[in-house]
Amino acid sequence: DAMVIQNPRYQVTQFGKPVTLSCSQTLNHNVMYWYQQKSSQAPKLLFHYYDKDFNNEADTPDNFQSRRPNTSFCFLDIRSPGLGDAAMYLCATSSRGESWETQYFGPGTRLLVL
Amino acid sequence: RKEVEQDPGPFNVPEGATVAFNCTYSNSASQSFFWYRQDCRKEPKLLMSVYSSGNEDGRFTAQLNRASQYISLLIRDSKLSDSATYLCVVNRVRYALNFGKGTSLLVTP
Repeated sequence: DAMVIQNPRYQVTQFGKPVTLSCSQTLNHNVMYWYQQKSSQAPKLLFHYYDKDFNNEADTPDNFQSRRPNTSFCFLDIRSPGLGDAAMYLCATSSRGESWETQYFGPGTRLLVL
Repeated sequence: RKEVEQDPGPFNVPEGATVAFNCTYSNSASQSFFWYRQDCRKEPKLLMSVYSSGNEDGRFTAQLNRASQYISLLIRDSKLSDSATYLCVVNRVRYALNFGKGTSLLVTP
């Protein structure tokens, strides 16, 4: 009965090699988020989708892109990963029907950049 | 000034102790406040919302002071399973939340 699924759980990539992280949800929530969390830091919102409307945070580097082909799936593309992009990437969802501030998180993908 | 500030701890307390965490936020227009719990290397999970009148959920009590822009979480009768990082969360704009760095709690036997 997984609700927010992230694959893979661990991803190793090389410096500068594009990588895609995926998130899917079975909740039919209309809002999906991507957060970056580094060790001992707060989760930092990168961007979110309200349905198909994309909302980028002002300080999210251009190196980070996202796609949401349908309600269930959302992807995070890192075009040229740097060593500083090593982090946990968390996908979350929320619903207009429920309190949108109650966010359901996936287990995260831990990215290592070599 | 950071938008949400918390004492990072760690707080080391014995089982059965009462422990309190504090949090301050900078945006006076914030309307919604929460405590999330995050276990080591896991995702954050909602612990409880925080209401102006204060609210309680079992051993957990949350308080909000809008005038001081201050939120607190009190845990009574601490259990070993309460060991985790507690994140203070405040809404920024619609659909966006600001997370604090978290306060680490370790409950020891």
